[in-house]
Amino acid sequence: GQQVQQSPASLVLQEGENAELQCNFSTSLNSMQWFYQRPGGSLVSLFYNPSGTKHSGRLTSTTVIKERRSSLHISSSQTTDSGTYLCALDNNAGAKLTFGGGTRLTVRP
Amino acid sequence: DPKIIQKPKYLVAVTGSEKILICEQYLGHNAMYWYRQSAKKPLEFMFSYSYQKLMDNQTASSRFQPQSSKKNHLDLQITALKPDDSATYFCASSQDMEAPLFGEGTRLSVL
Repeated sequence: GQQVQQSPASLVLQEGENAELQCNFSTSLNSMQWFYQRPGGSLVSLFYNPSGTKHSGRLTSTTVIKERRSSLHISSSQTTDSGTYLCALDNNAGAKLTFGGGTRLTVRP
Repeated sequence: DPKIIQKPKYLVAVTGSEKILICEQYLGHNAMYWYRQSAKKPLEFMFSYSYQKLMDNQTASSRFQPQSSKKNHLDLQITALKPDDSATYFCASSQDMEAPLFGEGTRLSVL
């Protein structure tokens, strides 16, 4: 079965609303990485988060290993946040990441 | 300036042909990788190289062959191309087992 599952698959927000993206995993975890994939396809690393909570501007990542989940919170969304958000599991096999299917976020003005 | 350069950005090929996807990194990393993202599947790991040696291969088909002529290069040769090979191929690199950084990708379309 799929080791990394993301929800929701897609999300539409009005500008200014908050978003909570979820990532659940079924195997052991060394770390969870969150990426933003631009509409053109390039990947931007957002967080490398083995456990606990990390903040970067309007973004917050929380990984709870014993519950096998990680979340990405986007506050006060902007139209430029539109794109696909990917989580990727690093299960201590080097940099071989297992990706989830992504959440496609659309923020409307 | 991009630190991981993938060439070409877009590539169109005919079924049965052979193509080489180029990847160079200027980060001084010792490990390089290839990942693939198709319309039907999540982004998936293909190969990892460390110090120019193959470490892991998750690609079932021998039609995919990485080539490392220099320590900062990891090209991907694909032979006997099929329409199902259509995907975006991402190169990545890291220092040892740190979190990898990704290139911009090569979007391959096989007709």
